[in-house]
Amino acid sequence: GDSVTQMEGPVTLSEEAFLTINCTYTATGYPSLFWYVQYPGEGLQLLLKATKADDKGSNKGFEATYRKETTSFHLEKGSVQVSDSAVYFCALNQAGTALIFGKGTTLSVSS
Amino acid sequence: DVKVTQSSRYLVKRTGEKVFLECVQDMDHENMFWYRQDPGLGLRLIYFSYDVKMKEKGDIPEGYSVSREKKERFSLILESASTNQTSMYLCASSFSQITAYGYTFGSGTRLTVV
Repeated sequence: GDSVTQMEGPVTLSEEAFLTINCTYTATGYPSLFWYVQYPGEGLQLLLKATKADDKGSNKGFEATYRKETTSFHLEKGSVQVSDSAVYFCALNQAGTALIFGKGTTLSVSS
Repeated sequence: DVKVTQSSRYLVKRTGEKVFLECVQDMDHENMFWYRQDPGLGLRLIYFSYDVKMKEKGDIPEGYSVSREKKERFSLILESASTNQTSMYLCASSFSQITAYGYTFGSGTRLTVV
């Protein structure tokens, strides 16, 4: 079945460092891809999305490009802030099914 | 903004109790979902509903049931709570089955069964 694999955390960075969180997927069709973020004590918020190959999703300085050839959707940010500390989830959605999530990656940014 | 409201942020229940977790959305979304979140396991789908009075089992439905009598409300029921159901429960809704829309999540209910 469909699945999402993302890099295990925690990821610990200093403020202004470059961030990459790897995400790869397995799917039989042409899913939409998402990154969700969960701040401490809260539910998940949609961070960005891409619905077809080569699309780039972006929001709040974060970016991810839908790469069909490598079945990847890696999350990047050029300069992280302490306020970016959260858990990040990669997810895919195929028509007729519910969202499938990766296990989440915890990011901790120190000043 | 779409809002998904879960009635309780924290609950403590005793083993064997029947537990109701309530979720309400205010934007006329067709689809509603219940996930549980556990460390190292991510989010796992319990049940979902694409319409009123309709329900479908997700990946881990055992020990749970759901009710959707009105479009805006989707309740998760633990028939007889057990300690292995201690978890964070997240409700979500989406506008349609078009995959591009994504889901809107509630703030979660952290349930402890003692």
